[in-house]
Amino acid sequence: AQSVDQPDAHVTLSEGASLELRCSYSYSAAPYLFWYVQYPGQSLQFLLKYITGDTVVKGTKGFEAEFRKSNSSFNLKKSPAHWSDSAKYFCALNTGANTGKLTFGHGTILRVHP
Amino acid sequence: EAAVTQSPRNKVAVTGGKVTLSCNQTNNHNNMYWYRQDTGHGLRLIHYSYGAGSTEKGDIPDGYKASRPSQENFSLILELATPSQTSVYFCASGPGTGGQAPLFGEGTRLSVL
Repeated sequence: AQSVDQPDAHVTLSEGASLELRCSYSYSAAPYLFWYVQYPGQSLQFLLKYITGDTVVKGTKGFEAEFRKSNSSFNLKKSPAHWSDSAKYFCALNTGANTGKLTFGHGTILRVHP
Repeated sequence: EAAVTQSPRNKVAVTGGKVTLSCNQTNNHNNMYWYRQDTGHGLRLIHYSYGAGSTEKGDIPDGYKASRPSQENFSLILELATPSQTSVYFCASGPGTGGQAPLFGEGTRLSVL
C-alpha cells in the first residue's frame, strides 16, 4: 500500500539557517509528489510538485525540493529560512492516476526563530 | 480567480444530529474531494467525485455520505453525527489529471458534542 512518511513532527531553527524537511514515500508506480504549506488557522497552499524530468524542482516562496528515486525521498529545502516560513508543511503523494487523490504525510511543524 | 468556498466555517452539532457541510468551486474542475484533518493523522480522504452525479468512497468513508448535484457543488453529510467526527474538514477541487495539485478550501471546523 502507498504511504508517505514525514519523520520529523517538529523542526526548529534560527532565521538565516538552511532548512530541510524530510519526506519519504512508498509507492509501486512512478510517483507524483507535492508539498503544501499550512499557516495557522488557514488552508493548505500548494508549494511545488514533482511529476517527471528534473529531479530538483522549484516552487513558490523560494522553496525547492529534490526527488531521489534511490531512497524514495522528496525533501523540501530553503536557504536562508525566514521567520515567516513558520508553518506546518505537508508532503503528499498522488495515488490515483487521474483521480488526483492524495495521500498525505502527518506533517512537520516548522518554527523559525527571528 | 480560482476558488474553493466552504460553508459553514464553524459548526457545533449535537450527537445524533444531521450535519451537512457544503463546498462550492468556481474552477470548472471535474474532481472534488473531502478530507479531514486530525492531530497525528495529517489529512485523510473521506469521499471524492469525478463530476456531477458521481461520488466515490475514499480511505475513511464510514459514517459519511457525499452528494455532487452539480459541477460546482459537493456536500459532505453526516446523518448521525458522533463526537469522533469532531475535526477540521477540507474540501478541494482538481482537474482530474494526476500532475495537477488540488486546490483547497479554507476548512470547516466541526465540533460534535
